[in-house]
Amino acid sequence: EPEVTQTPSHQVTQMGQEVILRCVPISNHLYFYWYRQILGQKVEFLVSFYNNEISEKSEIFDDQFSVERPDGSNFTLKIRSTKLEDSAMYFCASSQKDEQFFGPGTRLTVL
Amino acid sequence: GDSVTQMEGPVTLSEEAFLTINCTYTATGYPSLFWYVQYPGEGLQLLLKATKADDKGSNKGFEATYRKETTSFHLEKGSVQVSDSAVYFCALSDAFTGRRALTFGSGTRLQVQP
Repeated sequence: EPEVTQTPSHQVTQMGQEVILRCVPISNHLYFYWYRQILGQKVEFLVSFYNNEISEKSEIFDDQFSVERPDGSNFTLKIRSTKLEDSAMYFCASSQKDEQFFGPGTRLTVL
Repeated sequence: GDSVTQMEGPVTLSEEAFLTINCTYTATGYPSLFWYVQYPGEGLQLLLKATKADDKGSNKGFEATYRKETTSFHLEKGSVQVSDSAVYFCALSDAFTGRRALTFGSGTRLQVQP
């Protein structure tokens, strides 16, 4: 069964460093998303991507963040100059229509 | 804006007990409603969904009915098992307004004891 994959599973970085989180969506899906879940809190939407551009973004998704689909399979989230409060689980998701399929997540720890 | 409210957890039940997790929503348009489950150490898995009023979503013995009049989508299961222990998230998307992003509730942790 096709699934969304994410790498790495855990990323540790120093405050101020840049990180890139990677996702491989399900191959015939058209919409791609990033969400985050700070420990013990609800899952929050960051951004959605369709037709090679951002289609929606939340107020969390500021200039510190960017997304890219560099080739036909990967979908990346870049966080520039990480802050302590960026520590969270980051989930990628993809969909054809309204049902979103989630990856297992990348745990980002900013020290 | 759109919002989802879930009952506070944790919910602790004995095996074979009846489960209800309440979920109500506020939405501008006509949302699709979802229940996602997160097992310990794992990502989110879609449990069930409903896309219009009076639809009943069901999967693995879980059910939820889309009630437009009460803006609710309560999750139920007649007989829970230890393996159902997880965090359950109610969510909506509002494609009617062109918004595909999921809005999640705060999650309800279910603990089932043998």
